[in-house]
Amino acid sequence: DAKTTQPPSMDCAEGRAANLPCNHSTISGNEYVYWYRQIHSQGPQYIIHGLKNNETNEMASLIITEDRKSSTLILPHATLRDTAVYYCIVRVGDNNDMRFGAGTRLTVKP
Amino acid sequence: EAQVTQNPRYLITVTGKKLTVTCSQNMNHEYMSWYRQDPGLGLRQIYYSMNVEVTDKGDVPEGYKVSRKEKRNFPLILESPSPNQTSLYFCASSPSSGIGTQYFGPGTRLLVL
Repeated sequence: DAKTTQPPSMDCAEGRAANLPCNHSTISGNEYVYWYRQIHSQGPQYIIHGLKNNETNEMASLIITEDRKSSTLILPHATLRDTAVYYCIVRVGDNNDMRFGAGTRLTVKP
Repeated sequence: EAQVTQNPRYLITVTGKKLTVTCSQNMNHEYMSWYRQDPGLGLRQIYYSMNVEVTDKGDVPEGYKVSRKEKRNFPLILESPSPNQTSLYFCASSPSSGIGTQYFGPGTRLLVL
C-alpha cells in the first residue's frame, strides 16, 4: 500500500472550515484514499473515501488532486466535537488491512 | 442500532492466565478483524477473517488466537498473556473483504501484570 504523509497536528477555530492535507505521492491507479478519525481512545470512525473524483457526504468533503498524489479532507464547519486524530489511508481492494499511521491531531478551539 | 460490541471493555489480568475478548457485530458483515493500538505504533492488525471458518494472520499475530464459527462473532484469545500484550484492542467489521469501510468497536483496554 502507498505510504501517506500528514502533518502531526493542526488547530482550527470553531465554526471555520478545517482542511487536513495528506500526501500520497506513490499511490497507484487502483488505490483508494480513505479517511478515518479517532476521538480520544474510541474506535476509529470512517469518514469518507475516494478514488479519483472529489467526494462529499454528510460529514466531510474529500478533494483529490488530478495527479492523485495528494488529497485534502475538509470539515466545512468544525465543532469542538471534531477534535480528534485524523488518519489518511491509501489501500487496494481485497485486503482490509488498514495501515493507520500517526495521523493528524486536529484541535478545534472555541 | 448497527454496531460492533466488545467485552470486556477493561480488563486487568496476570501473566499466563488465559483470557478471551469477545467481539460481535449485528450488520451481517463477512469481514472481521482485530487490531491493537500502542503509543507511537499506531493500529496494527492481529488477525482477520474473510468469512466463517476463514481466518488469517495480520501483522502481529504472535501470542493470539482467533476463531470464526459464526458470522457475527470473532473472539480474540490470549492463551498465555504476557505484559507486552498490554494494549488497547479494537475489533472491526466490514461488509466484505474488498471494502475498506470498516466499523470499529469501542475498544478493550487490557493490562497484563
